[in-house]
Amino acid sequence: RKEVEQDPGPFNVPEGATVAFNCTYSNSASQSFFWYRQDCRKEPKLLMSVYSSGNEDGRFTAQLNRASQYISLLIRDSKLSDSATYLCVAYGGGGNKLTFGTGTQLKVEL
Amino acid sequence: DAGITQSPRHKVTETGTPVTLRCHQTENHRYMYWYRQDPGHGLRLIHYSYGVKDTDKGEVSDGYSVSRSKTEDFLLTLESATSSQTSVYFCAISLMAGGPKDEQFFGPGTRLTVL
Repeated sequence: RKEVEQDPGPFNVPEGATVAFNCTYSNSASQSFFWYRQDCRKEPKLLMSVYSSGNEDGRFTAQLNRASQYISLLIRDSKLSDSATYLCVAYGGGGNKLTFGTGTQLKVEL
Repeated sequence: DAGITQSPRHKVTETGTPVTLRCHQTENHRYMYWYRQDPGHGLRLIHYSYGVKDTDKGEVSDGYSVSRSKTEDFLLTLESATSSQTSVYFCAISLMAGGPKDEQFFGPGTRLTVL
């Protein structure tokens, strides 16, 4: 079982829709979480950090559920420019390192 | 913009040849990392550095070595490249020197093909 698991998608949604991705993690000792956005053939870019129960930044909301060991990313009012792959990352759980999921692909369509 | 550059950006080489990738940062960050990204895998840590001449192994360090003789440069060397090392290599820096709030920022990547 992978330490950080994501549905690869793609999630195809119309512009303006609300979309949510879930990410599950296996190591209950994970201390913090990050969402990165990665465009095709580009580097990952930090979207949001989650150190407690959640975080919100504009149209983006991340929520952490430690009991069920998942973290979600909600995108409201999707834009064409939101089309990308979203990487879920967990920190800690032994070794004090980042563990990356393989990403969820989002395609926002007209 | 974390001021990270990588060189070369693309490289094609042959099996058995040595290859060195360079990561350069302009903002004096102490922690630097090398990752590889392959289909079906999340980014995986190869090596990292926590200061000049201070380096340690990550989860996929076999076949790779690193050096850091200056704060701004972190070099990744494949002593004898193999086809399994065909990948996209990303360098990263972190602002918080490790720890749970270790937000890492990535360079543009190097696409390496080993024939």
